[in-house]
Amino acid sequence: KQEVTQIPAALSVPEGENLVLNCSFTDSAIYNLQWFRQDPGKGLTSLLLIQSSQREQTSGRLNASLDKSSGRSTLYIAASQPGDSATYLCAVEDSNYQLIWGAGTKLIIKP
Amino acid sequence: NAGVMQNPRHLVRRRGQEARLRCSPMKGHSHVYWYRQLPEEGLKFMVYLQKENIIDESGMPKERFSAEFPKEGPSILRIQQVVRGDSAAYFCASSQTKISYEQYFGPGTRLTVT
Repeated sequence: KQEVTQIPAALSVPEGENLVLNCSFTDSAIYNLQWFRQDPGKGLTSLLLIQSSQREQTSGRLNASLDKSSGRSTLYIAASQPGDSATYLCAVEDSNYQLIWGAGTKLIIKP
Repeated sequence: NAGVMQNPRHLVRRRGQEARLRCSPMKGHSHVYWYRQLPEEGLKFMVYLQKENIIDESGMPKERFSAEFPKEGPSILRIQQVVRGDSAAYFCASSQTKISYEQYFGPGTRLTVT
């Protein structure tokens, strides 16, 4: 059974710092991995999608990596801003084409 | 093109009442997914529907929960005889195809059972 874990559960850093969020999964048989952003009272926004054959994806100040064999992904945020404050969720698409989600990392960027 | 719409955004029900959650997919989307997010947890898949058909309900509790996506109108997630443990955020997503990474999420309905 696929399980997705995100560490840390919460993170607070000063504005301008670079930071890394971690996601691990137990079964390497995945089709892809996505990072989402969840703002309070709003829906989820997909940030980056990494197909199982890819190693990383970049979008602006965000870079996500995938090491399928070790069951790990990282989301790197460069030069953090207060507007980056949100909960970041990681989800893998498993062999049954279902999205399996981590519990998220709540990120606070202090001005 | 409006995004995925869910209503109500907040719903309060007493134990034993029924809760009806509505999801209007994006225009042109015929695939709908319902997820539940308990406090401090990730989302959990509940059910996947196409117009008039339930495709995968493996994540739905066997009792009290049902879902439909009629030919006309929104998708409905219905919870009968709600209990406190049903308190959660319920998210709907829609897509044009069955591809997971093309799912667009609604803002969610926050159900509180008192």
